Order: sequence, then C-alpha cells, then structure tokens
Amino acid sequence: QKEVEQDPGPLSVPEGAIVSLNCTYSNSAFQYFMWYRQYSRKGPELLMYTYSSGNKEDGRFTAQVDKSSKYISLFIRDSQPSDSATYLCAMSASQNAGGTSYGKLTFGQGTILTVHP
Amino acid sequence: DTAVSQTPKYLVTQMGNDKSIKCEQNLGHDTMYWYKQDSKKFLKIMFSYNNKELIINETVPNRFSPKSPDKAHLNLHINSLELGDSAVYFCASSQALPSYEQYFGPGTRLTVT
Repeated sequence: QKEVEQDPGPLSVPEGAIVSLNCTYSNSAFQYFMWYRQYSRKGPELLMYTYSSGNKEDGRFTAQVDKSSKYISLFIRDSQPSDSATYLCAMSASQNAGGTSYGKLTFGQGTILTVHP
Repeated sequence: DTAVSQTPKYLVTQMGNDKSIKCEQNLGHDTMYWYKQDSKKFLKIMFSYNNKELIINETVPNRFSPKSPDKAHLNLHINSLELGDSAVYFCASSQALPSYEQYFGPGTRLTVT
C-alpha cells in the first residue's frame, strides 16, 4: 500500500462545476499538507498549503484536512477551463533536522482534471 | 528571468550510455531537489541538497549521482542508462529546509532506447 493514495481520474466536469479532489494517507506522522497543480508538459506549482487539521480558503480554492480520517480534500468552486491540469497532493512529516524524512515531500499520483466550456 | 531552469529539455539516448542533466535556480534559494516522475505521474524525490550538503538520498541506484557545485546549481549524472530510467526528471528549489513551497523546473524528458 502506498503512503499516499490519490484517484488518478481522469475527471471531466463542465465549466462552473464544483470539483472535489481527494487523497488518503497511511502515515500518521504527516502534519503538512499541500496541493500542487501541474499543467501539461510543465513542472508542478504550489497551489495550497495547510498545517495539521482544518480548512484553508484561497479564492475559488478550499483545502480541507481531516487527520482523524487521514483524508485531505481540495475543492474548486466555479471551475474554469484554465483549471484543467493534474492536481497532486503532497505531504510531509514533522520536520526534525537530521531525520531521514527532513524536508521530504511524499506525493500522490495526481488527478487529471479537465474542465470543458 | 526563468526561476528554475533545466537542460536539456529532451534527452533521447541508448541503453548503457552516460548522461547528465543540469539545473540552475536564480531565486537565491538554499535547497535544491531532484525528482523523478514516471509514466503514471508519480513524483518521487531522489535527492535534496541544502547549502551544497546532501540531505535526502532516497533509495536510488548508485548509477545516479548528484553534484552541487554551488547553491544555485544541482546536476544529475546517470551512468549506464537502463530502459527503466525513462521518465521526466524535475529539479526544484526552496528557500530553506524544510519548505513546502518548492519551485519546480520545466522537467527533462529522458527516453532510453
């Protein structure tokens, strides 16, 4: 079983729809949770970052973390064709200098999202 | 004014060859990374350098050797290339370690025939 599981999709929605993207994880040491967006033939770029449990909102994007269920979500409201991309969740454990996981991000497989006009 | 750049963008080579990929960042960051993204889009860290010191060294064949001549550069040399090395290799940087905001380069698409 992979440490981070993410449904690769693909997911196709009409413009204006609410999109829900999810990841589950098994490592209870993960405390830092990120969503990266990757356009075709480009490198990933950070979209959202949250620490521990809770919600964070940034414009049309909302990130949720439920550590008790080991489940994180990204919601996109009023989706646009420009949101079409692969969305990767990423996680990191408590950062102790000198530890083997220091600074290491573990990524999900990525969900391919297409928003059609 | 590219933040993280990689050369070459595409690399096609035969099994058994040795090749290098170069990475440079002009963001003034202290930490740089190499990632491998396979055909199923899994992105996995290979190495991380902080101030030219190797910090993360994942379970990667020793045919892969990173070199950091200075904070702004991190190169990846691969010996005796194998078919399974075909992937997209991304370089990334971050301001410090640990950092969750990593800036990725455009990737180098390596095809081994």
